[in-house]
Amino acid sequence: DGGITQSPKYLFRKEGQNVTLSCEQNLNHDAMYWYRQDPGQGLRLIYYSQIVNDFQKGDIAEGYSVSREKKESFPLTVTSAQKNPTAFYLCASSQQDGGYTFGSGTRLTVV
Amino acid sequence: SQQGEEDPQALSIQEGENATMNCSYKTSINNLQWYRQNSGRGLVHLILIRSNEREKHSGRLRVTLDTSKKSSSLLITASRAADTASYFCATARSGAGSYQLTFGKGTKLSVIP
Repeated sequence: DGGITQSPKYLFRKEGQNVTLSCEQNLNHDAMYWYRQDPGQGLRLIYYSQIVNDFQKGDIAEGYSVSREKKESFPLTVTSAQKNPTAFYLCASSQQDGGYTFGSGTRLTVV
Repeated sequence: SQQGEEDPQALSIQEGENATMNCSYKTSINNLQWYRQNSGRGLVHLILIRSNEREKHSGRLRVTLDTSKKSSSLLITASRAADTASYFCATARSGAGSYQLTFGKGTKLSVIP
């Protein structure tokens, strides 16, 4: 079955630690996205990529980094510079001008 | 920045009733989409309506788009307990040169059996 897989489902980060969230898709979609969801605030765009080896900042990119070395993969690193990383992170992919397919999300908690 | 704003923020209805959610947006759009999110899960794409369309149906879902008022509505007919979820509208801006969606904060729908 075609789809988009996020891992891990739950992740705990210590203060000052970098963590990487995985996102893999087998839909052959060109574009991939990372969103952050906080309670009552909807989804906010962190980074997006329309093509391999290229990505753009979204509305809240500070404290995050991404790479797009393969079409299928778009990992997100939450760096120690992100001061409030506790949130639900959603990865999505799409073809141009179409609906998004979302992963099931990663819940990140700072301990 | 939030482009779409859903109304109401929360809606509670009895099973079998119809549910209507509204979305308003600010800038010109290429298309508008509706998504459903069950608690703690990813979003599921429901329906896409393009800026030159006025109404679209999919099963028990009916979406309307009024570009002059910059608004859209999602109607779920004959609701079921399984429709309990949050519903988000998302807009793709026209002429943006790239394809990004901007999401609203969502309407939380509760369908009581």
